[in-house]
Amino acid sequence: AQSVTQLGSHVSVSEGALVLLRCNYSSSVPPYLFWYVQYPNQGLQLLLKYTSAATLVKGINGFEAEFKKSETSFHLTKPSAHMSDAAEYFCAVSGTMNDYKLSFGAGTTVTVRA
Amino acid sequence: DAEITQSPRHKITETGRQVTLACHQTWNHNNMFWYRQDLGHGLRLIHYSYGVHDTNKGEVSDGYSVSRSNTEDLPLTLESAASSQTSVYFCASSPGLGTQYFGPGTRLTVL
Repeated sequence: AQSVTQLGSHVSVSEGALVLLRCNYSSSVPPYLFWYVQYPNQGLQLLLKYTSAATLVKGINGFEAEFKKSETSFHLTKPSAHMSDAAEYFCAVSGTMNDYKLSFGAGTTVTVRA
Repeated sequence: DAEITQSPRHKITETGRQVTLACHQTWNHNNMFWYRQDLGHGLRLIHYSYGVHDTNKGEVSDGYSVSRSNTEDLPLTLESAASSQTSVYFCASSPGLGTQYFGPGTRLTVL
């Protein structure tokens, strides 16, 4: 079964600094990879998804992620953090083409310092 | 606009009671999922359904059941609530392989 590992359960950045959240997937290439964001007391919202059309994926709110097969990674970045980026971020991977389940990482909480 | 709703948003119950959490979506998606969210574990899949009368166990299904009598609803039942089932529960739906759309969650406390 597919799985993902998020490195670092907490990340603290200064406003205006680079945000980098790390995600590695299991060795077989998945159909889809996702990043979701969860703001306090809310459900999960899709930030972006990789579907093999392009290795650099742009999402909402200035986030992007790059799929690197050689490193089995799908790291999330944003060049300049904003206070509103404080949230929990989850990496997720789909199953096979006939398996619609998602497997989630443990999540990374981002705090933004003024 | 299409949406996915969960009710109740908050629930406090006692050990041993049966509890049902509701999930309703208006996207007409065939696929629906229930997850629980606990600190340090991310989201773990409890049960899922790929259509009416179809239900499947996820990785943490013990003590939970679901039924799918129509496309819109997938209620989650805790047969005999236990303190270990205190958690935040999320329902999601999807049209197929790809993006899942999440509800706002239900915070359940079992005393």
